[in-house]
Amino acid sequence: DAKTTQPPSMDCAEGRAANLPCNHSTISGNEYVYWYRQIHSQGPQYIIHGLKNNETNEMASLIITEDRKSSTLILPHATLRDTAVYYCIVRVDGFGNEKLTFGTGTRLTIIP
Amino acid sequence: EAQVTQNPRYLITVTGKKLTVTCSQNMNHEYMSWYRQDPGLGLRQIYYSMNVEVTDKGDVPEGYKVSRKEKRNFPLILESPSPNQTSLYFCASSFRGQMGGYTFGSGTRLTVV
Repeated sequence: DAKTTQPPSMDCAEGRAANLPCNHSTISGNEYVYWYRQIHSQGPQYIIHGLKNNETNEMASLIITEDRKSSTLILPHATLRDTAVYYCIVRVDGFGNEKLTFGTGTRLTIIP
Repeated sequence: EAQVTQNPRYLITVTGKKLTVTCSQNMNHEYMSWYRQDPGLGLRQIYYSMNVEVTDKGDVPEGYKVSRKEKRNFPLILESPSPNQTSLYFCASSFRGQMGGYTFGSGTRLTVV
């Protein structure tokens, strides 16, 4: 699976959009971009994933650049409950070992 | 409610005393996996199972055993725990080959003294 690079920490004001960047310059054509988050020491929570088109669900939006070398997770109206570590993961979907390789992520702090 | 249930949530034990951490999912997922999380090392996969009676090693399997006799259960067994197995453990499950995410349990914080 391709390696990802994320900033170690970010702050965002409550009510504003939080934009979390991720670089994955070695991504291959069949690799998806996944985002998870971990609040305190709870189990990681799936947020969203995409291949090349932008995606949106009830939690967030995922913007993937045209060359697919980077992406941005957008939390449109951040709340205090969005304070967490956010992980960007690149992997191939399929019938092999469905392992997720977690990096160190971005610690997002929402400021009141 | 769809979920992955781990027990116990917290456990303190002594070196060498066999223990089992249970994991159960109610989503009929084929794939189940165990991770451990340590400061500075992130989450690392211990073992995984792609279906009943099919298990394989992950990245850090030493000192652990697993079994998958039923689809819903995937217990993690520490035959002779050591202090270096003190960690936060997570069980996860998913459908195989499905384009979607894992569901993780709430975690088991294990301390071996």
